[in-house]
Amino acid sequence: DGGITQSPKYLFRKEGQNVTLSCEQNLNHDAMYWYRQDPGQGLRLIYYSQIVNDFQKGDIAEGYSVSREKKESFPLTVTSAQKNPTAFYLCASSIDGAGAGNEQFFGPGTRLTVL
Amino acid sequence: GNSVTQMEGPVTLSEEAFLTINCTYTATGYPSLFWYVQYPGEGLQLLLKATKADDKGSNKGFEATYRKETTSFHLEKGSVQVSDSAVYFCALRVDYKLSFGAGTTVTVRA
Repeated sequence: DGGITQSPKYLFRKEGQNVTLSCEQNLNHDAMYWYRQDPGQGLRLIYYSQIVNDFQKGDIAEGYSVSREKKESFPLTVTSAQKNPTAFYLCASSIDGAGAGNEQFFGPGTRLTVL
Repeated sequence: GNSVTQMEGPVTLSEEAFLTINCTYTATGYPSLFWYVQYPGEGLQLLLKATKADDKGSNKGFEATYRKETTSFHLEKGSVQVSDSAVYFCALRVDYKLSFGAGTTVTVRA
């Protein structure tokens, strides 16, 4: 089956610890994205990557880091510098980053809770 | 900048009722417009899209028309079912970036 997988579905961490969220896609998409969703709010873009070995900050990149060493993988690290990390994190991909009508396909999400 | 404003919820309807969720946008350039749906505990799924003015997107009985003159993309369904209970997001895309509305929670009662 083609799609986007995120693991784990639920993640608990102690305050001050870094944590890495996994995102893998087998759709052969060039572009990948990370969003954060908070209750009652829309999604906010954290980072995006249009090609391997390249990525750009989104609207709320502070306290987060990413890498794009492989086309199919785009892990997100939530660092201890992120002041309010508890949220639902969604990964997405699209065929390319520039095509206006190209839809973004979303993974099932990871719910991170910092205790 | 680009932004999306959608009708605040929650919206509660009876089965077979008519659903409208209003969405208006502000954008530079020529955006594509989308409606996404999110079921509890899941990621977002594309419901429909429109890429230019006067286009109508449709899927699963839902429709929305890209109105450039009113900068709107309202979502409609003529007869909702319990299975339509979800959160609906309006979004616009210019270049790489999707900008989302805050979401509207819809609950359909049997």
